[in-house]
This record gives sequence, C-alpha cells and structure tokens, in this order.
Amino acid sequence: GQNIDQPTEMTATEGAIVQINCTYQTSGFNGLFWYQQHAGEAPTFLSYNVLDGLEEKGRFSSFLSRSKGYSYLLLKELQMKDSASYLCAVSKRGYGQNFVFGPGTRLSVLP
Amino acid sequence: EPEVTQTPSHQVTQMGQEVILRCVPISNHLYFYWYRQILGQKVEFLVSFYNNEISEKSEIFDDQFSVERPDGSNFTLKIRSTKLEDSAMYFCASSEGLAGGNEQFFGPGTRLTVL
Repeated sequence: GQNIDQPTEMTATEGAIVQINCTYQTSGFNGLFWYQQHAGEAPTFLSYNVLDGLEEKGRFSSFLSRSKGYSYLLLKELQMKDSASYLCAVSKRGYGQNFVFGPGTRLSVLP
Repeated sequence: EPEVTQTPSHQVTQMGQEVILRCVPISNHLYFYWYRQILGQKVEFLVSFYNNEISEKSEIFDDQFSVERPDGSNFTLKIRSTKLEDSAMYFCASSEGLAGGNEQFFGPGTRLTVL
C-alpha cells in the first residue's frame, strides 16, 4: 500500500524560509510532486523530483532522497500569498500513472 | 495558457439522483483523471483514463461511478445514484503522457452537494 505523511500545520513569518517535509512508503515509485492548494481552489503544480537531489525553481526548491523515502519543499522569502496548503504527491509507476496525495500541510504566513 | 475547465462549478442534488460532472481537458493531453476531495480531507484518486478506456481505478470508484469521453473534447464523470457521502469537491486533471515529469494539470473543480 501507500503511506504519505506531512505535518498538518506550520506557521512562518513573512520574509522567512520554511521547510515542509514529506515521508512516503510506496511501491512502484515514479516521482514526487509538490502542489500548492489555496482554500477552495484546485491544486497547482510547484515542482517535480524523480532523481535524488535538489531542484530549484525561483523561491521554491524541492529535495528528494529515494533511499530514505523523504522529500522536502523549501520556500524562501515568504510572502503572505504563500499561505496555502502544500500537497506532497507520489506518482506511481504503471499504466494509470495516478497520484497518491499526502494529507497536505497548511502553511500560515504571518506579517 | 491552456487550462482544464469543469462545469458546473457547484452542483446540488438529492440523494439517489444521477449527476454528470463535465470536464474539458487540455487539448493535446492524452491522460485524464478524476479526483475527489471531501471537505477538510486529502485529495483522493478515483480513476485514470487513456485511449478511451479506464487504465486504473481506486476502491472508491465502484459500480455507481462511470467515466466517458463522448467526443473529442469532453470527459465526464457520472454518479448513478448519489449518496450523502459523495458530497465533495471533484477535480478533473489531465497530463501529456507517461514520460517523466508527468505533471497533472487540475481543473477548478465541481463542488457536489448531496442532500
């Protein structure tokens, strides 16, 4: 089966850096995605990792360690608009290629 | 920028009624998906669709659910006899293919309320 864990909630200050962790146990791993979801809206793509290491994309970076079943999303220079839920999703190898989502981490950015 | 669209944005129905949720995936995408998200809970996979057939489905996707691609643009989810517990946000998504970086683009969702 699949199991994905993330912290439920985090709080950080505008301008700061925050790291959101994700651990997973799954068979047929084919990549890990991070999505941002504002309340009542659809998830939007942030980053993708399939190989170990760090992927940087502007203010957002994501890291993956396949051997440890671990990823993190790093958000720099936090802005108020970054207040949202951050979803870790594992892509499964196979014909369907569906995502298994974690429970999401609700980030609150305070002034 | 191309996007996935969904209609209606909000659907209210009585328990036992049939509903059809509609989606228009991004035009050059080949893989289509339905997910649902019960209020306050995580996003859950329902079904994936490729080459005019279901490629994978979850335990949630029982005989009450069906999907169809009736023409070259629409992708629909039908719930035959709705239950109270079907109340959720339903997201359609599409992706280009199976290659690495299989980013899925999500539509804005349909909020289904079953009374």
